[in-house]
Amino acid sequence: QVQLVESGGGVVQPGRSLRLSCEASGFNFNSYGMYWVRQAPGSGLEWVAVISYDGSNKYHAGSVRGRFTISRDDSKNTLYLQMNSLRVEDTALYYCAKDMSSGWYWGVFDIWGQGTMVTVSS
Amino acid sequence: EIVLTQSPATLSLSPGERATLSCRASQSISNQLVWYQQKPGQAPRLLIYNASNRATGIPARFSGSGSGTDFTLTISSLEPEDSAVYYCQQRSNWPPLTFGGGTKVEIK
Repeated sequence: QVQLVESGGGVVQPGRSLRLSCEASGFNFNSYGMYWVRQAPGSGLEWVAVISYDGSNKYHAGSVRGRFTISRDDSKNTLYLQMNSLRVEDTALYYCAKDMSSGWYWGVFDIWGQGTMVTVSS
Repeated sequence: EIVLTQSPATLSLSPGERATLSCRASQSISNQLVWYQQKPGQAPRLLIYNASNRATGIPARFSGSGSGTDFTLTISSLEPEDSAVYYCQQRSNWPPLTFGGGTKVEIK
């Protein structure tokens, strides 16, 4: 079945780095745009980044631009989020999500992983 | 950036009652609105896209309507399993993609 499994979360000090991974299965990974969405404890959803199906286009939210980088490795069916210069306010559950439409991204998330928790604390 | 405002913050209703959730956009987004359901401890689930199209496997008691700046998610007859937080999201003018703050539906 279609599945997304995130990993790589943990506890990290402010200013340090972390790389999240999201392994996809059950669909043609290289045909879909992919996203990261985060949710701070007790709060709502915040879009973080998107990468096009072919990796040629990427966009990041203003709150993470210049610190986070989304990427993908289609040979491994894996999405990544490299997070540098982490801040306390980056503490959240990070979800990866699949675009509903193949080809160019549509901005609708039809499949979500279960999330990986990132805690930034000294 | 388009801001989405959801109301009410919390809705407390009994099984079988009708739930009406509102989402208002800070500018016109045509029909480019999406609804998600999130139950405690779970990832969000896609309910409605393009304001009124039910996603695969979503029960018919869920319906969406609206265009421009005002949108509604209606649950025609509440079931106990509909207890969740519901988020709207716009995809009209992005990046950034933006979400509303959510409406919590409680079943009495």
